Amino acid sequence: DIQMTQSPSSLSASVGDRVTITCLASQDISNYLNWYQQKPGKAPKLLIYDASDLETGVPSRFSGSGSGTDFTFTISSLQPEDIATYYCQQFDNLPPTFGQGTKLEIK
Amino acid sequence: EVQLVESGGGLVNPGGSLRLSCAASGFTFSTYSMNWVRQAPGKGLEWVSSITSTSTYIYYTDSLKGRFTVSRDNAKSSLYLQMNSLRDEDTAVYYCARDGDLGATTLTRPDYWGLGTLVTVSS
Repeated sequence: DIQMTQSPSSLSASVGDRVTITCLASQDISNYLNWYQQKPGKAPKLLIYDASDLETGVPSRFSGSGSGTDFTFTISSLQPEDIATYYCQQFDNLPPTFGQGTKLEIK
Repeated sequence: EVQLVESGGGLVNPGGSLRLSCAASGFTFSTYSMNWVRQAPGKGLEWVSSITSTSTYIYYTDSLKGRFTVSRDNAKSSLYLQMNSLRDEDTAVYYCARDGDLGATTLTRPDYWGLGTLVTVSS
């Protein structure tokens, strides 16, 4: 199975900050990567697909980049409603696998 | 409006069975692959199973060891997960999710998710 390693595991930032989360795949997955946001008690929400494509209706402050094994998820200006846990997920190989999550808090 | 509504969760003894359902509406169910994803309490997300639009291809995570069976009824716009020989480690919220890319197979672009149904395996 492809291992997805996210860092950091948790992050505290202030409103307006630029926030970056990284995801490292254990092998080349091209651009077959999704990013999700999950708020407590809610279902995951797809934000970014194919590593850098913004899902319909998702604010433009969210972005993704990378290919191969190294990927980055960025919030350009953190908003209070962005408090959540964020996950990366690869779909290059079966089984699709998730990173362990990054819990984002407001400082 | 696309909606996915899971049901069928509950408390079950180890070794027992449950059948989860996911009722879909607001889109042409028969043209999309569907997925089950679970999340144990306080833990991360884990893919469980995927089924293509006409049930031609079905995939499971290896750890299930044949205990779960996914199926769908396109006439009823419904997805199912039959769970047998349940274990403590199957305790989780189970989500169904639509794969938004036509022709996709496994969590390619899961654009809509249900709210989830909680399965608790405990004696």
